[in-house]
Amino acid sequence: DGGITQSPKYLFRKEGQNVTLSCEQNLNHDAMYWYRQDPGQGLRLIYYSQIVNDFQKGDIAEGYSVSREKKESFPLTVTSAQKNPTAFYLCASSPLPRAWETQYFGPGTRLLVL
Amino acid sequence: RKEVEQDPGPFNVPEGATVAFNCTYSNSASQSFFWYRQDCRKEPKLLMSVYSSGNEDGRFTAQLNRASQYISLLIRDSKLSDSATYLCVVNNPTQVSGTYKYIFGTGTRLKVLA
Repeated sequence: DGGITQSPKYLFRKEGQNVTLSCEQNLNHDAMYWYRQDPGQGLRLIYYSQIVNDFQKGDIAEGYSVSREKKESFPLTVTSAQKNPTAFYLCASSPLPRAWETQYFGPGTRLLVL
Repeated sequence: RKEVEQDPGPFNVPEGATVAFNCTYSNSASQSFFWYRQDCRKEPKLLMSVYSSGNEDGRFTAQLNRASQYISLLIRDSKLSDSATYLCVVNNPTQVSGTYKYIFGTGTRLKVLA
């Protein structure tokens, strides 16, 4: 089955710790995205990538980092610089970020701070 | 003013009722529009794209009014299974020519009651 997988489903972070969220897709999509969802707010774009070895900051990139070494994979690291990391993190992909391209979402990772 | 605005609800309706949601957007350059459905603690899933001429998919009808900058979603003959949050999404051009970025509304919550 084609789709997007994210792991883990739940992640606990201690103060001062960096954690990495995994996102893998087998849809052969060029573009991949990371969003953060907080209660009562719309999804906000953290980072996106249109091609391997290239990525751009979204609206709330501070405290996060990404890499795109393979087309299928787009991991997100939440660094200790992100002071309020508790949120639902969603990875998405699309063929390309064109006007009528649809984004498909993974099941998400819920990050909690201990 | 938010880029995409939705009434958060909740809309509580009996089974079989017709319910409509509106969404307004602020960027006149917005190119494409979508409705996503999000169940509690799950990822968003595409419900339908919204075309200029309006489009229908079974019990769901989407309309676009570019002059007034709003889109709407009509659900007829509501089912219990329609209970979810409905996200309005607007696809806006970015500074990189030919690429676009999703802007999400905060969502409208629907509860269909037996």
